[in-house]
Amino acid sequence: ETGVTQSPTHLIKTRGQQVTLRCSSQSGHNTVSWYQQALGQGPQFIFQYYREEENGRGNFPPRFSGLQFPNYSSELNVNALELDDSALYLCASSLASGTILSGELFFGEGSRLTVL
Amino acid sequence: AQSVTQLGSHVSVSEGALVLLRCNYSSSVPPYLFWYVQYPNQGLQLLLKYTSAATLVKGINGFEAEFKKSETSFHLTKPSAHMSDAAEYFCAVTPSGGGADGLTFGKGTHLIIQP
Repeated sequence: ETGVTQSPTHLIKTRGQQVTLRCSSQSGHNTVSWYQQALGQGPQFIFQYYREEENGRGNFPPRFSGLQFPNYSSELNVNALELDDSALYLCASSLASGTILSGELFFGEGSRLTVL
Repeated sequence: AQSVTQLGSHVSVSEGALVLLRCNYSSSVPPYLFWYVQYPNQGLQLLLKYTSAATLVKGINGFEAEFKKSETSFHLTKPSAHMSDAAEYFCAVTPSGGGADGLTFGKGTHLIIQP
């Protein structure tokens, strides 16, 4: 069984640009969530997708958006990048029944975004 | 709403000594609680979880944690530290019983193992 994979692993953008990060879920998982981990901090919940719909969102502005595809892979899009968006972005997949979150998330190694 | 406080951003122990990483939580509903470990340049790996069954939870790599409702705590322990335990440890909480609120993480505790 394959784990959660994310791409790209590192990228550098300038303020105002847009970025798309990608995630392939662990085999058999139907729920994907995204977290932002700033340097020296714990991960912060951005949003969660289940059956291609966003069904949970943390305290992040609308310029953070996402997609989940029929094969359960996912994208995180961030528009109008700001310096504070520099962080490690973690994708996590899980097997959820309805909207129940078991909490047993399987994380990828993350995409490190630097905004200059 | 829920929150997690991890006491001590850095904890240093000698190899073979007891490891104790502290976590206190706040939750308006009964919680599910978790400990995750993060090695350098890697994602997070689940160590153990409490989901309202036994209050003493055993996890991987010899770690265990005890849920104490009266103290709103979920401290992580290991009887004998190994050099390979050096990593960042995160405590996390989510409401039990459903919902899609994601996990709320603490700021993490960096565990240093002295030879």
